[in-house]
Amino acid sequence: DAGVTQSPTHLIKTRGQQVTLRCSPKSGHDTVSWYQQALGQGPQFIFQYYEEEERQRGNFPDRFSGHQFPNYSSELNVNALLLGDSALYLCASSLEHEQFFGPGTRLTVL
Amino acid sequence: GENVEQHPSTLSVQEGDSAVIKCTYSDSASNYFPWYKQELGKGPQLIIDIRSNVGEKKDQRIAVTLNKTAKHFSLHITETQPEDSAVYFCAQGDSSYKLIFGSGTRLLVRP
Repeated sequence: DAGVTQSPTHLIKTRGQQVTLRCSPKSGHDTVSWYQQALGQGPQFIFQYYEEEERQRGNFPDRFSGHQFPNYSSELNVNALLLGDSALYLCASSLEHEQFFGPGTRLTVL
Repeated sequence: GENVEQHPSTLSVQEGDSAVIKCTYSDSASNYFPWYKQELGKGPQLIIDIRSNVGEKKDQRIAVTLNKTAKHFSLHITETQPEDSAVYFCAQGDSSYKLIFGSGTRLLVRP
């Protein structure tokens, strides 16, 4: 079992660009959650996908959107990037409460 | 609103001593309380969790206690080792399955 995988590991973008991050959940998990972790802070919940639908959303603008595929993998899209979007983006997969995190994608916006 | 306060922000202990990290939450609907360990350059790793119908849970050197009345929960690490050095996060969850995290505690275990 490879656990939760994310790609890419690092990404550098400029302001105004768009980015897509990808996540493959742990085998057998059907739910994917996305979190943003700024430097020195705890992860902040962005949204959660279950059965290809957004089930729950945190306090993030509409520039942040996502998708879940029939194989439970997921994408996070961020449009019109701002400097403040620079962070570690974490994906977590789960069946119920227990969430298992991937290594994250480090996004730098210049 | 939903909020988790975590203390201390940094903690330095001698190898072999115990370490205690405390969290306070505000949402009465919370019923799930996990603890995560995050090493440099890695994602958070679930190390132990507790549900609201249990007051204490132990796994080898790690234990978690929950006081629902006071809305407190704590992580206890005994016989600390240098490899326990990392950032530890508490979190709260409810029936919506999203997690609200504390701000983290940087633990340093001195050899």
